[in-house]
Amino acid sequence: RKEVEQDPGPFNVPEGATVAFNCTYSNSASQSFFWYRQDCRKEPKLLMSVYSSGNEDGRFTAQLNRASQYISLLIRDSKLSDSATYLCVVNSNAGNMLTFGGGTRLMVKP
Amino acid sequence: DAGVIQSPRHEVTEMGQEVTLRCKLISGHNSLFWYRQTMMRGLELLIYFNNNVPIDDSGMPEDRFSAKMPNASFSTLKIQPSEPRDSAVYFCASNDANTGELFFGEGSRLTVL
Repeated sequence: RKEVEQDPGPFNVPEGATVAFNCTYSNSASQSFFWYRQDCRKEPKLLMSVYSSGNEDGRFTAQLNRASQYISLLIRDSKLSDSATYLCVVNSNAGNMLTFGGGTRLMVKP
Repeated sequence: DAGVIQSPRHEVTEMGQEVTLRCKLISGHNSLFWYRQTMMRGLELLIYFNNNVPIDDSGMPEDRFSAKMPNASFSTLKIQPSEPRDSAVYFCASNDANTGELFFGEGSRLTVL
């Protein structure tokens, strides 16, 4: 089993739709969680950190469920510019190592 | 700040040739990571350094791969000899110790023929 797993998609949604991605992780001792965004042929960039209490940044909401070992990302009122690959990232040990999921591809259509 | 800088951006080489990829960290960051990304395997951590010391190189595929960090701001990843299966995008990233955020370079796209 992979340490961090995501549905690769693609998720094809119309503009204005709400879409949610889940990500599961295998190491119950994982400490930190993030969502990164990667545009085609570009480098990954931090979208948002995921806090235990859940957090929101504009149209984006991230949540953590430690009991079930998953994190989620909700995008409301999706825009064409949201089309990208969303990478779930987990810090699985006390050091700096971040493990990336395989990514979920989102395509927002007009 | 210019961010993480990688070179070359693109390299096409023939099997058996030596490849050297270079990375300059963001000033003040003390951890450096080398990742490889392919369609099949996604983003894989190859090696990471903390304060110039290699901490974990378990992701390095085999002896053909080596990485060095001769000073606090610069690193190289070398493949010798290169093989077609090494074709991938190689990312270097440095870490903000306060936030945990990784900052990636734009990547080096390697094609081995």
